[in-house]
Amino acid sequence: AQSVTQLDSQVPVFEEAPVELRCNYSSSVSVYLFWYVQYPNQGLQLLLKYLSGSTLVESINGFEAEFNKSQTSFHLRKPSVHISDTAEYFCAVSLNAGGTSYGKLTFGQGTILTVHP
Amino acid sequence: GAGVSQTPSNKVTEKGKYVELRCDPISGHTALYWYRQSLGQGPEFLIYFQGTGAADDSGLPNDRFFAVRPEGSVSTLKIQRTERGDSAVYLCASSLGGTGALQFFGPGTRLTVL
Repeated sequence: AQSVTQLDSQVPVFEEAPVELRCNYSSSVSVYLFWYVQYPNQGLQLLLKYLSGSTLVESINGFEAEFNKSQTSFHLRKPSVHISDTAEYFCAVSLNAGGTSYGKLTFGQGTILTVHP
Repeated sequence: GAGVSQTPSNKVTEKGKYVELRCDPISGHTALYWYRQSLGQGPEFLIYFQGTGAADDSGLPNDRFFAVRPEGSVSTLKIQRTERGDSAVYLCASSLGGTGALQFFGPGTRLTVL
């Protein structure tokens, strides 16, 4: 079975500072990796995903994550955060089953990012 | 609709009662998932439907939980003899068949068992 660990439950930062939200996973088979974001009073939204190819993936709002197979990590980074980035972020994995992605997602516990002015 | 919808948004019930939670997936999505999110935790998988059939129900905690999707679209999660520990946000997600990785989530139903 696979598991996901998000090392920080809360990360406070000031606006325009860089941020890294850490995610490590454990799995005996190949996985796909995801970051989801949940803004206050909203549902989960897909932020970015790693399925194959380049290990560095980017979102449209400036976040990026790098898949590191040797360290089994998929940390999320942003060089300069905004107040509007305040949200809860979830790292998740699903099994890489023969080129298609089996549906079940396993989530980490979440990291609350709070951006202060 | 444009996204996944769930009703009700909030449900308060008493211990021992029966509840039904409804999920309307995105039109055309053949895969549907239910997750449960307890306070301070990430979502936990409950059950996965491909079409009308439950392809994986390994996350259902016990036989008080049951879900159906009779016509391959709307799904209902049913909880019998509710317990206080069932209190959580129940999330539904859907995706296109064959691309199960890209799941779109609904806003959730917050269930409170008194």
